[in-house]
Amino acid sequence: DIVMTQSPDSLAKSLGERATISCKSSQSVLYSSNSKNYLAWYQQKSGQPPKLLIYWASTRESGVPDRFSGSGSGTDFTLTISSLQAEDAAVYYCQQYYSTPPTFGQGTKVEIK
Amino acid sequence: EVQLVESGGGLVQPGGSLRLSCAASGFTFSDHYMDWVRQAPGKGLEWVGRIRDKANSYTTEYAASVKGRFTISRDDSNELLFLQMNSLKTEDTALYYCASIAVVGTEFLGYWGQGTLVTVSS
Repeated sequence: DIVMTQSPDSLAKSLGERATISCKSSQSVLYSSNSKNYLAWYQQKSGQPPKLLIYWASTRESGVPDRFSGSGSGTDFTLTISSLQAEDAAVYYCQQYYSTPPTFGQGTKVEIK
Repeated sequence: EVQLVESGGGLVQPGGSLRLSCAASGFTFSDHYMDWVRQAPGKGLEWVGRIRDKANSYTTEYAASVKGRFTISRDDSNELLFLQMNSLKTEDTALYYCASIAVVGTEFLGYWGQGTLVTVSS
């Protein structure tokens, strides 16, 4: 199984600050035949299901604010929130869909100071 | 609009059984692999199992923690997904989500239902 490791486990930033979350996979999730990274990012607010933010490592889901961006390739990925808003307080997960079983990072809790 | 609506959760004693259902709409259900993912209270996301589509013979895979106890099935004509859970243990207590989190061709939905709560307790 591909192990996904996120860092940090939690972070606290002020409104308007930049937040960066790292996700590392134990093996590459880059599919060579189509040059796509099989990596998604989700946001989960309290009492809600995960909501897709980013897929193919850097494609923003429709309706997701452009302050959310994804980058990286192979085994190292980053989710960046360029200017934190109050509604961004949540837990964020990365997920690889390169192979079965799909696996998730442990989650990063983002708090607003 | 894509919708996944789970039902069937509840309180069950250790050793008991429960059958969860997930009603899908808004996408071509029959084309997609479907997954069950659970989340224990205050914990992260744990994959439970997957069922592939007809083209892949409806094959299934399960997490080691549930293999031999849980069975996933689907009814493509009615766009339903099922999770039969037997020999339930207290550690199976969780919110169970049905989800489309696999790629089909070039499409990735990444969509989740609201979840149904399963509590295993005496």
